[in-house]
Amino acid sequence: DTGVSQDPRHKITKRGQNVTFRCDPISEHNRLYWYRQTLGQGPEFLTYFQNEAQLEKSRLLSDRFSAERPKGSFSTLEIQRTEQGDSAMYLCASSSRRDTLPRYNEKLFFGSGTQLSVL
Amino acid sequence: AQKITQTQPGMFVQEKEAVTLDCTYDTSDQSYGLFWYKQPSSGEMIFLIYQGSYDEQNATEGRYSLNFQKARKSANLVISASQLGDSAMYFCAMREGFGGGYNKLIFGAGTRLAVHP
Repeated sequence: DTGVSQDPRHKITKRGQNVTFRCDPISEHNRLYWYRQTLGQGPEFLTYFQNEAQLEKSRLLSDRFSAERPKGSFSTLEIQRTEQGDSAMYLCASSSRRDTLPRYNEKLFFGSGTQLSVL
Repeated sequence: AQKITQTQPGMFVQEKEAVTLDCTYDTSDQSYGLFWYKQPSSGEMIFLIYQGSYDEQNATEGRYSLNFQKARKSANLVISASQLGDSAMYFCAMREGFGGGYNKLIFGAGTRLAVHP
């Protein structure tokens, strides 16, 4: 396994610009999650994909946010008209049934994240 | 609503000593899972250990053990024989909901551990 890969590692943008992040999960992991982590806080759930289907979106994901996972492989997270409050680390995680813990719990494998700074 | 509380923003420990990182949780579910993840400065979250609410034994994974006290709703992480590479942020997390399906985690604010030589 090569691990979860996220690109870019860092993104600096001006307020009002659109940005897109990419996540490549561990191959054969059918479950993919996006989390957001602000400074001094733990990650917060944003959205979940099972294969190509987006099954849940947090209310944190405003209309300016859109996530896709075409063909059930890599995923993209786009933020339109960025605001300074969008500045955060965006983490992607993947999992599969192979990594099942008791009672349907799973290990999540996280990428190193994309650090977004909105000026 | 479920909630995870980590009251120690930062902890220091001498190399080779043991350290306990505190975690309390709040849930009305009878069945739940508790997790600890480590986040080094590189950013990725690394799974350390899992404890199920119905597990009678405390979970152990190498130098990591979980001191699970269900009545007190605490799930403290114990790291034995600390190493310099243990310096990182540590997050306690709980799975929202239970049963089959995906694992949506709720995280605490984290504890920054510094291991001194």
